Amino acid sequence: SYELTQPPSVSVSPGQTARITCSGDALPKKYAYWYQQKSGQAPVMVIYEDSKRPSAIPERISGSSSGTMATLTISGAQVEDEADYYCCSTDSSGDHWMFGGGTKLTVL
Amino acid sequence: EVRLFESGGRLIQPGGSLRLSCAASGFTFRDYAMSWVRQAPGKGLEWVSTLGAVVGETLYADSVKGRFTISRDSSKTILYLQMDGLRVEDTAVYYCAKDQTYEPEFDVWGQGTLVTVSA
Repeated sequence: SYELTQPPSVSVSPGQTARITCSGDALPKKYAYWYQQKSGQAPVMVIYEDSKRPSAIPERISGSSSGTMATLTISGAQVEDEADYYCCSTDSSGDHWMFGGGTKLTVL
Repeated sequence: EVRLFESGGRLIQPGGSLRLSCAASGFTFRDYAMSWVRQAPGKGLEWVSTLGAVVGETLYADSVKGRFTISRDSSKTILYLQMDGLRVEDTAVYYCAKDQTYEPEFDVWGQGTLVTVSA
């Protein structure tokens, strides 16, 4: 079955750039979406269609995709960015949607 | 304001049935695809099912196909998830989410409802 692979954890100091990757064989043809989930809260979409940012999301959060890898970048990470981040996409048929395993971002 | 509110979660025995509801407000409900996403305790997000807006096409994760049924009542603006043959591994917080497109573009989420399957 199709899978999206993320690193379990990423750690940066405040002000540094955090990069979270998501790999999947269908990503060259399918969009990646990114969700932020803070402890005890519902997820929030932070990136859609690989690189578009909802209006309420700060500009320091960006997305890109190349080949079989999508990347979420947080420039100048802040303590408030600490959260679990999930990529989401579909398989090549579009009939099976899935989330990556999630990446815990620590900023300290 | 766009809002989603899930209800119906509770403790239920394996093999039982349960129907979750998601009350939607603040947008034209019939114009959007809607989805269910779940999260087992301490685990990651898992997509469960999606219901399209136009012709009512449905998609299901393999883990629930044949046991769960997604539906909507557009007159009441409520999304449902009928869950039959529940298993211990179905224990999770179930979120409903509004789909901006017929893609996993979940732009609005509810707060979730907890389903616990245990003897």
